Amino acid sequence: GQSLEQPSEVTAVEGAIVQINCTYQTSGFYGLSWYQQHDGGAPTFLSYNALDGLEETGRFSSFLSRSDSYGYLLLQELQMKDSASYFCAVRDGATGGFKTIFGAGTRLFVKA
Amino acid sequence: DTAVSQTPKYLVTQMGNDKSIKCEQNLGHDTMYWYKQDSKKFLKIMFSYNNKELIINETVPNRFSPKSPDKAHLNLHINSLELGDSAVYFCASSQGETSSSYEQYFGPGTRLTVT
Repeated sequence: GQSLEQPSEVTAVEGAIVQINCTYQTSGFYGLSWYQQHDGGAPTFLSYNALDGLEETGRFSSFLSRSDSYGYLLLQELQMKDSASYFCAVRDGATGGFKTIFGAGTRLFVKA
Repeated sequence: DTAVSQTPKYLVTQMGNDKSIKCEQNLGHDTMYWYKQDSKKFLKIMFSYNNKELIINETVPNRFSPKSPDKAHLNLHINSLELGDSAVYFCASSQGETSSSYEQYFGPGTRLTVT
């Protein structure tokens, strides 16, 4: 089967850096995505890592280590608007079709 | 221009009723999905369709029946609604069934409340 683990909550202050970790277990791993969801809103895509290493997009970076089945999302220069839930999601191709399996989400609270 | 749209946004109904949710995407994508997000925000895939064909059916009760009349539309019909069906249902789309088509675009969600 497939499983993902990420912390349920993280709190940080404005201007700080926060890292949200994700470990996964799946048999047909293709890549790891991150999505952001504000309360009452829809998930929106942030990043995708298929290969080991760091991908940077503005204030957000995402890292993957395939050998450790581990990834993280790094948010820099935190702003109040970054308060949201962040989901890691594995792209899995083990069942004959591609499937995206989401983690339970990490709720990020940014304080002034 | 809305990329992925869903109707209705809110749906309140009684147990035992039958209801439908509609989804349309104007992105030219080949693959569409239905997800269920429960009160704990756990987002779980229900179905995926590629070019109108069912690809994934994640052991969803057969009271749920998706229909894709064309690749831009994926509707969800739910029979005999139960209290446990209360959730937010998201439609999403992606370019296609390839390893590189990883980005999914989500609709605004339909909040279903069964009383």
